[in-house]
Amino acid sequence: GAVVSQHPSRVICKSGTSVKIECRSLDFQATTMFWYRQFPKQSLMLMATSNEGSKATYEQGVEKDKFLINHASLTLSTLTVTSAHPEDSSFYICSASSSPEQYFGPGTRLTVT
Amino acid sequence: AQSVTQPDIHITVSEGASLELRCNYSYGATPYLFWYVQSPGQGLQLLLKYFSGDTLVQGIKGFEAEFKRSQSSFNLRKPSVHWSDAAEYFCAVPPGEKLTFGTGTRLTIIP
Repeated sequence: GAVVSQHPSRVICKSGTSVKIECRSLDFQATTMFWYRQFPKQSLMLMATSNEGSKATYEQGVEKDKFLINHASLTLSTLTVTSAHPEDSSFYICSASSSPEQYFGPGTRLTVT
Repeated sequence: AQSVTQPDIHITVSEGASLELRCNYSYGATPYLFWYVQSPGQGLQLLLKYFSGDTLVQGIKGFEAEFKRSQSSFNLRKPSVHWSDAAEYFCAVPPGEKLTFGTGTRLTIIP
């Protein structure tokens, strides 16, 4: 089946710094990838839709200047959390679309100290 | 707007017992429907999906789900649970390419 990887799986950063999370589709091309955020014991919240070669589409309430998304190729999308704060600590999950299905990465645990 | 509801936040069953997790959807047309499972600290794994055709869908790990249009439901079932089934289960429906997830049901297995 289709495999999606995320790197890193865990990251700890200091408040005010930026951190980049990569999402790769390993064995298929994905023109569309999605970024989700999941708080403890809660469901996934869609943050943005990442489209290869164009700007990402952000969900209402998600700061585009804080969560920078780049989808430079058909197999790679990156999420950069800029000027991170402790409230950005969360589990971030990406998915790659092979419509109508989505294949999910294993997630990245971000802790901002 | 399309949505899914998972009425049960937490379910506890004994190992070997049967399981049913509920999912109700709100959708204008015949929906695609998905069930995903998430182990702690992990991503999501697709258990099964319904697109069309046979309303009883077989998935991985011995799970099945039945699409019932009259009840707007897509409940997940397993005849005999194993301790390794303890996880969070999410029902999802796609409005277009996006997925809308239910709030999830946490499954606890007791020996």
